[in-house]
Amino acid sequence: SQTIHQWPATLVQPVGSPLSLECTVEGTSNPNLYWYRQAAGRGLQLLFYSVGIGQISSEVPQNLSASRPQDRQFILSSKKLLLSDSGFYLCAWSVWGPGKETQYFGPGTRLLVL
Amino acid sequence: ILNVEQSPQSLHVQEGDSTNFTCSFPSSNFYALHWYRWETAKSPEALFVMTLNGDEKKKGRISATLNTKEGYSYLYIKGSQPEDSATYLCAFEGSGGSNYKLTFGKGTLLTVNP
Repeated sequence: SQTIHQWPATLVQPVGSPLSLECTVEGTSNPNLYWYRQAAGRGLQLLFYSVGIGQISSEVPQNLSASRPQDRQFILSSKKLLLSDSGFYLCAWSVWGPGKETQYFGPGTRLLVL
Repeated sequence: ILNVEQSPQSLHVQEGDSTNFTCSFPSSNFYALHWYRWETAKSPEALFVMTLNGDEKKKGRISATLNTKEGYSYLYIKGSQPEDSATYLCAFEGSGGSNYKLTFGKGTLLTVNP
């Protein structure tokens, strides 16, 4: 069966510090991978998605970047965190196919930037 | 920018009550409508995917309907139980260039009081 891991679960970082959040998927090959953020009082916002190794699409201009160095690994990074980067970050995966785009979410990382 | 709206934003019901809430979405370039349940401290969990106008899906006491012509979906919960307390998210999947991506609403937070 497929599983998705995210770490760390919680992170408190000072403004201006770097960030690296990691997501890995097991039990499937060539998944689509996604990073979402839920900021306080807001819905889930898609940040990045990837349909293959090295292929990253950014949905919104922001202070963050994503990379996919391996088929089942997706990394969210920042060189210098802003206060507005605080939120709950979710990684998700899916298998290819319009109308079959059920996404499966990881446990999430709660990031607080002070 | 796709607009996916959910109402109400939050809802309190008593155990045993039946309830329903709404998701509205663009009626053009429609491919699928997804419902997720997001319990506190857990990951969002897929409930339903609906693709055809008039679709109805059911899972236990929870059911959903779809009207693609007017761009709305209803989620119904019959005989609510405290364990139904969660945020219910709908997500729009479009056709054409928006494949692979889901646009989420902000969710309806349901609290079922025992």
